Amino acid sequence: ETGVTQSPTHLIKTRGQQVTLRCSSQSGHNTVSWYQQALGQGPQFIFQYYREEENGRGNFPPRFSGLQFPNYSSELNVNALELDDSALYLCASSPPTGMNTEAFFGQGTRLTVV
Amino acid sequence: AQSVTQLDSHVSVSEGTPVLLRCNYSSSYSPSLFWYVQHPNKGLQLLLKYTSAATLVKGINGFEAEFKKSETSFHLTKPSAHMSDAAEYFCVVPNTSGSRLTFGEGTQLTVNP
Repeated sequence: ETGVTQSPTHLIKTRGQQVTLRCSSQSGHNTVSWYQQALGQGPQFIFQYYREEENGRGNFPPRFSGLQFPNYSSELNVNALELDDSALYLCASSPPTGMNTEAFFGQGTRLTVV
Repeated sequence: AQSVTQLDSHVSVSEGTPVLLRCNYSSSYSPSLFWYVQHPNKGLQLLLKYTSAATLVKGINGFEAEFKKSETSFHLTKPSAHMSDAAEYFCVVPNTSGSRLTFGEGTQLTVNP
């Protein structure tokens, strides 16, 4: 089985621009979650998608949006980039969630906003 | 709301000595709890998880953790550190539906030769 893959691995954007990050979920997983990990901090939950619908959202502004496709891959879009958006963005996939379900993480996309 | 607090931001041990990474949790219900490890330039990997079946949980690479409800703790231990254990460790609690994970701030483990 293939693991969770994210693209690109690194990205540099200018303040005010828009960015799209991509995630392919692990085979058999229909749930994808996105996390933001600022330098020196733990990951923060952005949102989760289940069967192409948003299934929970963290404390992030609307300029953070997402999509999930029929093959369960996902995109994270960030509009009007700010310097504080510089972080490692992690995607995690899992089977239908329950409290004990393990999430499998990709290696992340390192976004730098200048 | 549930949360976890990792009591040490950095822990340094010598190779071959025991490892103790501390985590306290706060939850209004009996939680599940996880420990994840993050090596440089690699994704987060699950070390072990507590799901109320047994209070002492064994994970990969010789790590284990004990759930202590009276102390609201879930400390991670390993009897003998190896150089390859050097990484960032996160204590994690899911919400009741499992739709989101709440991470602690992380503990950076350094293993000295």
